[in-house]
Amino acid sequence: GAGVSQSPSNKVTEKGKDVELRCDPISGHTALYWYRQSLGQGLEFLIYFQGNSAPDKSGLPSDRFSAERTGGSVSTLTIQRTQQEDSAVYLCASSLGSAGGETQYFGPGTRLLVL
Amino acid sequence: EDQVTQSPEALRLQEGESSSLNCSYTVSGLRGLFWYRQDPGKGPEFLFTLYSAGEEKEKERLKATLTKKESFLHITAPKPEDSATYLCAVHDYTDKLIFGTGTRLQVFP
Repeated sequence: GAGVSQSPSNKVTEKGKDVELRCDPISGHTALYWYRQSLGQGLEFLIYFQGNSAPDKSGLPSDRFSAERTGGSVSTLTIQRTQQEDSAVYLCASSLGSAGGETQYFGPGTRLLVL
Repeated sequence: EDQVTQSPEALRLQEGESSSLNCSYTVSGLRGLFWYRQDPGKGPEFLFTLYSAGEEKEKERLKATLTKKESFLHITAPKPEDSATYLCAVHDYTDKLIFGTGTRLQVFP
């Protein structure tokens, strides 16, 4: 079956512009996660959705970052007024549920470069 | 604070030369330890989940084991196509995975 898909695969933007990153989870998966992977660093948790609700936004680095999920499916991560330090790979993952130990399956990521 | 540490950072092996990757963790209430493989320019690919000390899982040339403080990923007779970054992560009583920084494995013919 289809895996997690993300778009765009690459995004180059100028400092100060807003960007939107999209994630389509595996069909039937109720939990959706956003992570960020910077060069030479591990994956960093950003936000988690169960259905359309976001019980845990603790990883969002600043109020320039926001995310929403509609219809219990597609999610959009928005970064406003982008800064050069926002350059990273943004990864989306989904799982059947959010109970402990559920396997998270990752998409291919969106590579964001802020000039 | 929950933490995952992987070693070595990088590993170079000759084809057929078996070795092990280490993942040490401290977490308040382990609910699962995960191994992923990540190829350059791609997202992490799921390999294994381990839930309790003493558990082992195998897939082709890979075998993952778990103790109360660490996990090992054993690679037996590796091939060049096993070259990748291997990531370890733990799932505690929150809803997110905590990742190590990975081990970059290169297998030469």
